[in-house]
Amino acid sequence: DTGVSQDPRHKITKRGQNVTFRCDPISEHNRLYWYRQTLGQGPEFLTYFQNEAQLEKSRLLSDRFSAERPKGSFSTLEIQRTEQGDSAMYLCASSGQGGAFFGQGTRLTVV
Amino acid sequence: GQQLNQSPQSMFIQEGEDVSMNCTSSSIFNTWLWYKQDPGEGPVLLIALYKAGELTSNGRLTAQFGITRKDSFLNISASIPSDVGIYFCAGQLYNAGNMLTFGGGTRLMVKP
Repeated sequence: DTGVSQDPRHKITKRGQNVTFRCDPISEHNRLYWYRQTLGQGPEFLTYFQNEAQLEKSRLLSDRFSAERPKGSFSTLEIQRTEQGDSAMYLCASSGQGGAFFGQGTRLTVV
Repeated sequence: GQQLNQSPQSMFIQEGEDVSMNCTSSSIFNTWLWYKQDPGEGPVLLIALYKAGELTSNGRLTAQFGITRKDSFLNISASIPSDVGIYFCAGQLYNAGNMLTFGGGTRLMVKP
């Protein structure tokens, strides 16, 4: 399968713990995006990479959130000191010259 | 910031009927995209539109990029039960970091 891959699919964590998610984009895509989606809403933009450079960050991305794409391939999204309001689906997408393709998402539940 | 208004919010139709949904924006986009999302899954790209006025089909799906670049519609002909899901429009603006701005979604329910 050469689509966008996200790991893990599901994560349950206690409030205050740190979590890290991984995204492997489609191999020839240089653009990578992170989005967050809550129930009944459309995805909301978090951050965008072109190759290894993080070019855009949403105001939604508080200082507890950090994303990296060290070699311009896979990316990680870390949330420190998780809060219950962080519970959501975290989606990764990649694009080349055409439309953006999404992974299956990581469902985070903070208890 | 930019906002996309997607309508209708939900539709409950009979199998075999045609469906139409649309998105409007307060500002222009360079690209319009339509996605379908099933519960617990990521959005799946259905159609991408790159030029104002462009009309593109993908099987029973047809989408158009509005002339003003501020709107787009998606039509589904002869609906079938597996069309059930949430359909999202998304606009992309190149000088805004290429990020996608999503509409609120249209929930489609099909009665066999």
